[in-house]
Amino acid sequence: DTEVTQTPKHLVMGMTNKKSLKCEQHMGHRAMYWYKQKAKKPPELMFVYSYEKLSINESVPSRFSPECPNSSLLNLHLHALQPEDSALYLCASSPSDSYEQYFGPGTRLTVT
Amino acid sequence: GQNIDQPTEMTATEGAIVQINCTYQTSGFNGLFWYQQHAGEAPTFLSYNVLDGLEEKGRFSSFLSRSKGYSYLLLKELQMKDSASYLCAVDNQAGTALIFGKGTTLSVSS
Repeated sequence: DTEVTQTPKHLVMGMTNKKSLKCEQHMGHRAMYWYKQKAKKPPELMFVYSYEKLSINESVPSRFSPECPNSSLLNLHLHALQPEDSALYLCASSPSDSYEQYFGPGTRLTVT
Repeated sequence: GQNIDQPTEMTATEGAIVQINCTYQTSGFNGLFWYQQHAGEAPTFLSYNVLDGLEEKGRFSSFLSRSKGYSYLLLKELQMKDSASYLCAVDNQAGTALIFGKGTTLSVSS
């Protein structure tokens, strides 16, 4: 299994909703990442988990809450989002001895 | 500060060769990645350069000069499917994350 999977593929939510994005990989990678990407812009790093511990939080608002339940799973909990949070949310993973990142297909989020 | 520069857009015709340049100024440097991203899809890995020189992989090659803070991605025998955004990304030793350039949108026409 050499891929990163993300669910759902598309999500529409209101500003008062609570939802979660899920990411899974079974490549034994020990680093996992959340990126946010707006149209025609490069991915912006949000969070990095290394060995299931949060190692980087790029000053992301608290309405985004990451969770790493185990070495294969990464969640992003969403609450009280704003319309400007609408974007493609990408998950990636990398092995402990390399910085080559494998990206999932992304979740396209629309906040109404 | 961290700065990675790439041209915003490039155009080329099928069968041609195109070179996409990337210059970087970062606080540290472990290596440089090139990713390809088609519209609406996730980035896919193309190449990784750590040492100076040219790495060739089929129709794609990537070059690095650490002393000049410069890299390029060379695409040969262009095909329509090569129309995509090409992202240059630097591992700056700050941890396990990458710093991405803004990407170069390549349009290949027949």
